[in-house]
Amino acid sequence: SQTIHQWPATLVQPVGSPLSLECTVEGTSNPNLYWYRQAAGRGLQLLFYSVGIGQISSEVPQNLSASRPQDRQFILSSKKLLLSDSGFYLCAWSWTGGLTDTQYFGPGTRLTVL
Amino acid sequence: KQEVTQIPAALSVPEGENLVLNCSFTDSAIYNLQWFRQDPGKGLTSLLLIQSSQREQTSGRLNASLDKSSGRSTLYIAASQPGDSATYLCAVRLFLSGGYNKLIFGAGTRLAVHP
Repeated sequence: SQTIHQWPATLVQPVGSPLSLECTVEGTSNPNLYWYRQAAGRGLQLLFYSVGIGQISSEVPQNLSASRPQDRQFILSSKKLLLSDSGFYLCAWSWTGGLTDTQYFGPGTRLTVL
Repeated sequence: KQEVTQIPAALSVPEGENLVLNCSFTDSAIYNLQWFRQDPGKGLTSLLLIQSSQREQTSGRLNASLDKSSGRSTLYIAASQPGDSATYLCAVRLFLSGGYNKLIFGAGTRLAVHP
């Protein structure tokens, strides 16, 4: 069976510090990978998606970047965090080419920028 | 631009009531629609997925309907239980080139079922 992991679960960082959130998927190969952010009182917003190693597409301009160094690893980064980067970050995966398949979500990372 | 709206934003009901959660979307050109459940501080769990050609899907006490032409979906929860307390998210799926899909989410309905 497939599982998706995210770490850390919770993170408190000062403004201007760097960020690295990691997501890994087990039990499948060549998945589509996604990063979402959920701000307080708002719906989930797609930040990045990836269809393969080194292939990253950004949905919205922002202070964040994403990388996919390995097939089942997806990393969300920032060089300098802003207060507005606070939120709940969710990673998800889906089958490649699965137009009708659901996305499977990880447990999330709660980021607070002070 | 596709926008998804969920009404009400919050709902508090006594145990045993039948509930209807509403979701509306502005662009009917969706591939399918999905309802998720999110417990506080947790990830999302898929509840029901309705293809654009379907009218409804059922799973246990849950029934989701889709009226694509009017841009509406409802999630019906029968005989609500305290364990149903969570945030319910509606999302429409758009097909993108390259063989992957994109979900547009509503802000959710926060449900509290009290004994």
